[in-house]
Amino acid sequence: SQKIEQNSEALNIQEGKTATLTCNYTNYSPAYLQWYRQDPGRGPVFLLLIRENEKEKRKERLKVTFDTTLKQSLFHITASQPADSATYLCALDVSPGGSYIPTFGRGTSLIVHP
Amino acid sequence: NAGVTQTPKFRVLKTGQSMTLLCAQDMNHEYMYWYRQDPGMGLRLIHYSVGEGTTAKGEVPDGYNVSRLKKQNFLLGLESAAPSQTSVYFCASSYGVKDTQYFGPGTRLTVL
Repeated sequence: SQKIEQNSEALNIQEGKTATLTCNYTNYSPAYLQWYRQDPGRGPVFLLLIRENEKEKRKERLKVTFDTTLKQSLFHITASQPADSATYLCALDVSPGGSYIPTFGRGTSLIVHP
Repeated sequence: NAGVTQTPKFRVLKTGQSMTLLCAQDMNHEYMYWYRQDPGMGLRLIHYSVGEGTTAKGEVPDGYNVSRLKKQNFLLGLESAAPSQTSVYFCASSYGVKDTQYFGPGTRLTVL
């Protein structure tokens, strides 16, 4: 069955450094991959979407890469700030029937220390 | 423009009781989703709808029913609540299936 893997251990980094989060998947080839941010007690908020034919997407301090050969997406936050501390979720369509309904990973917690 | 709203925000039920969670969106989105989020389990899809009058099962549909009588509303029902349904429930909507999902603030449900 399809699996989406995000590091369950929190990522701790110093302010100003680049944070890199990983989303790995197995089996199927998704048509797209999304990244969301979730703060405690709140619903996820969309950040970026990258499609299967795109290698990289940028938005301000955020960058997403999508390697369909490695079956991996990397999410980078440059010049990280304490306000970037949150849980980051990846979501991708893994349904073999072609419904394109996304499945979410369990998320990785990012803690940026001042 | 309120986005996605959920009612209620909190609820405590006894085992066997029933309740309905209401989700409303004002963005004219076709797709609507119900998720549950448990510690260490991430977001899991319960049911979804691809348009008014349609519903489909997600990853964990057992014990839940849904209805989408109006495009802007998506209802999640628990007919006979069980402690295993204690969770935080999120509703989301999107224009198309590959588009951004907009989430509501969540409903924290406890079943005793």
